[in-house]
Amino acid sequence: DTAVSQTPKYLVTQMGNDKSIKCEQNLGHDTMYWYKQDSKKFLKIMFSYNNKELIINETVPNRFSPKSPDKAHLNLHINSLELGDSAVYFCASSLYGGGGAYNEQFFGPGTRLTVL
Amino acid sequence: QKEVEQDPGPLSVPEGAIVSLNCTYSNSAFQYFMWYRQYSRKGPELLMYTYSSGNKEDGRFTAQVDKSSKYISLFIRDSQPSDSATYLCAMSARGNTGKLIFGQGTTLQVKP
Repeated sequence: DTAVSQTPKYLVTQMGNDKSIKCEQNLGHDTMYWYKQDSKKFLKIMFSYNNKELIINETVPNRFSPKSPDKAHLNLHINSLELGDSAVYFCASSLYGGGGAYNEQFFGPGTRLTVL
Repeated sequence: QKEVEQDPGPLSVPEGAIVSLNCTYSNSAFQYFMWYRQYSRKGPELLMYTYSSGNKEDGRFTAQVDKSSKYISLFIRDSQPSDSATYLCAMSARGNTGKLIFGQGTTLQVKP
């Protein structure tokens, strides 16, 4: 069984389009995250939700909007896509949101977004 | 300057070598230190976790944290071709947000 799953795995789209990436976890975790990994493998937190409540909201363009319909799902909607949005987007989940032993974050397989 | 610095490599070693991977950091509030392994086109997976200073060993892997120097290391003994991956250090401060700050990752290739 897949613990953290993301759809789609690959997304190729034109500049200016709006797209969504979906994430689901079946681990029973309370906290979910979105990360962006650039072409140099640098992985940076974007958002986190704890039981549907926004906890971490890093400085990202407001074209990016997360939405958590329930604690097992966290989606990422991106408006007016730009070339610089091309990256791999990872969803992750953890049992709790705190730093520490219980903060092991389990990552999904990633969504490779290419904006043309 | 990034909060966490990690040499991206690539690092190429022969099978059986001892590998040393390192990160430095600037934020003295970091208390939790992790190493993640990421295979090509996969998500990162937790390899080692250490709280505060000290050493932790798990099989062929040893993680070390020196908070006085703001320096962490991961040692891999008897490296295997299956260890070929990108290794990312990650850190977080005590708190309830779970925010991880990652290094850039070091790409390791172990040649048979």
